Amino acid sequence: KNQVEQSPQSLIILEGKNCTLQCNYTVSPFSNLRWYKQDTGRGPVSLTIMTFSENTKSNGRYTATLDADTKQSSLHITASQLSDSASYICVVSSLTGANNLFFGTGTRLTVIP
Amino acid sequence: EAQVTQNPRYLITVTGKKLTVTCSQNMNHEYMSWYRQDPGLGLRQIYYSMNVEVTDKGDVPEGYKVSRKEKRNFPLILESPSPNQTSLYFCASSLLGAGPNEQFFGPGTRLTVL
Repeated sequence: KNQVEQSPQSLIILEGKNCTLQCNYTVSPFSNLRWYKQDTGRGPVSLTIMTFSENTKSNGRYTATLDADTKQSSLHITASQLSDSASYICVVSSLTGANNLFFGTGTRLTVIP
Repeated sequence: EAQVTQNPRYLITVTGKKLTVTCSQNMNHEYMSWYRQDPGLGLRQIYYSMNVEVTDKGDVPEGYKVSRKEKRNFPLILESPSPNQTSLYFCASSLLGAGPNEQFFGPGTRLTVL
């Protein structure tokens, strides 16, 4: 069964600290993996998208890694800011068909001063 | 500005009163989709459309209808809303299919059915 699991469910960190969010998936055959940031009550916004051949991709203070062998991805946030408070959603796409997206339930990150 | 728009952003209605949530994109995308988001369940797909006049069910289509008469518009119709359809709804679009291409999400519609 194709699944995407994220951990932790929620996380509280101090402003300026780093953190890492995890995403494990069983989706096969794999096409790509995306990380989205979703502010409360707003639509998700894409942070990174990685294909099978990419094992790291950065977007400012956000760095995503992908290990396609172990089917794991992580999103590392460096020097967190209050504006990083949001939900982070991992989405994995399958090669079969054009509509095969599998969503994680997200990690709720709260950055406190 | 390239964007996906939804209207209304907030809606409170009563059981059984038909409603439509509009979605429009200005990026000439072929693929459009509707999702609902509930606490602890994440985003779940309701319906999607690969192109004009082509629609198909997602994971949770019961109680919803859609139409795709024009490329830019993809309205979501609730013929007889019920309280279990209280949720946050998102429309999304992408160039060609959801798998290979980045999806752009609308701002969301918060629906409450009393």
